[in-house]
Amino acid sequence: KNEVEQSPQNLTAQEGEFITINCSYSVGISALHWLQQHPGGGIVSLFMLSSGKKKHGRLIATINIQEKHSSLHITASHPRDSAVYICALPNRDDKIIFGKGTRLHILP
Amino acid sequence: SQTIHQWPATLVQPVGSPLSLECTVEGTSNPNLYWYRQAAGRGLQLLFYSVGIGQISSEVPQNLSASRPQDRQFILSSKKLLLSDSGFYLCAWSILTDTQYFGPGTRLTVL
Repeated sequence: KNEVEQSPQNLTAQEGEFITINCSYSVGISALHWLQQHPGGGIVSLFMLSSGKKKHGRLIATINIQEKHSSLHITASHPRDSAVYICALPNRDDKIIFGKGTRLHILP
Repeated sequence: SQTIHQWPATLVQPVGSPLSLECTVEGTSNPNLYWYRQAAGRGLQLLFYSVGIGQISSEVPQNLSASRPQDRQFILSSKKLLLSDSGFYLCAWSILTDTQYFGPGTRLTVL
């Protein structure tokens, strides 16, 4: 069983829709990262969170440590949000492990 | 502010040739440094990480090696490339295990 599971793998939505991407993990962690990878390959770190909720613009990330689950939400989605979103977290050896990513495509 | 550089941006190399990818970080001291690879259709894979000069930990057995000759310089090398080495190579830095900041990446094609 993978230590990090993301869902959905692929998501296509219309501009303006509310988007939710989920990440479940099986290891105890101190913090979880959400990353965004654009079609060219470049990766940007969106959030690092260890509890509760963080908001940056139209992006919201939440984490429930007890349930070992995190979600990334995008409000009022836009075509420029199209990217791969990756959940990442340190495992028990403090190495970063990654989910397989969610490929998001927002249609204009 | 901190910046991270990687070069080259793209590289096409024949099988059996050597490899050297370089990563440098500016604006911070004693960062943790990481090399990742993303093969086609696969997720990110941690290859090496370093917590200090000359200190390298390898995550995956392979024909690649890494070196950290200076505090803010991280080099990924190979003596003989394999076809399976093709992929997108990303360097990243962090302070301890805080947020990782990624470089622009190098797309390597081995023919």
